[in-house]
Amino acid sequence: TQLLEQSPQFLSIQEGENLTVYCNSSSVFSSLQWYRQEPGEGPVLLVTVVTGGEVKKLKRLTFQFGDARKDSSLHITAAQPGDTGLYLCAGEIFGNEKLTFGTGTRLTIIP
Amino acid sequence: DAGVTQSPTHLIKTRGQQVTLRCSPKSGHDTVSWYQQALGQGPQFIFQYYEEEERQRGNFPDRFSGHQFPNYSSELNVNALLLGDSALYLCASSFGVGYTFGSGTRLTVV
Repeated sequence: TQLLEQSPQFLSIQEGENLTVYCNSSSVFSSLQWYRQEPGEGPVLLVTVVTGGEVKKLKRLTFQFGDARKDSSLHITAAQPGDTGLYLCAGEIFGNEKLTFGTGTRLTIIP
Repeated sequence: DAGVTQSPTHLIKTRGQQVTLRCSPKSGHDTVSWYQQALGQGPQFIFQYYEEEERQRGNFPDRFSGHQFPNYSSELNVNALLLGDSALYLCASSFGVGYTFGSGTRLTVV
């Protein structure tokens, strides 16, 4: 059973468009992280959210942690080809010091 | 400042063989976690080492074992390799909150 479900699994859009990726679970997380991974590389941390309802912005990327700490979203404004990659959400459950990854969203931005 | 270093980068093994993968954590990090990532999927947690002890373990068989050394570096050993063990093996180090991942070792079992 996958603890964290991401949607969509694949997304291909034109440069300049906006998009949102979702990460959902029935479990409550103490913190949730978003990573981007490129082929042949390890995941690179984009952001960590720890407070329910928290919103963090990183240039054109906006991350939100759900009020109940069970879900999160990543919104990209004016997507660029450099945003192409595998986006992964990952969470830590209270009292359990391991990172559980989502199923991943493969994003392709078409120039 | 060097991040997480993994070796080797690529490896080809035959079914039934044994393999050892190595990880040097980021400077200042004392905890090492290992993940298996199949093609097109998210990483799956194998185990985590802290103070030279296995602190947490995921749903992997005993064929997967590990070790952490006093300098915090770590090894992942897999015995009796199966074709299904072919994957990218990622090492992540941490100190408190936040993980830094290495580039991984691509293991191919033939």
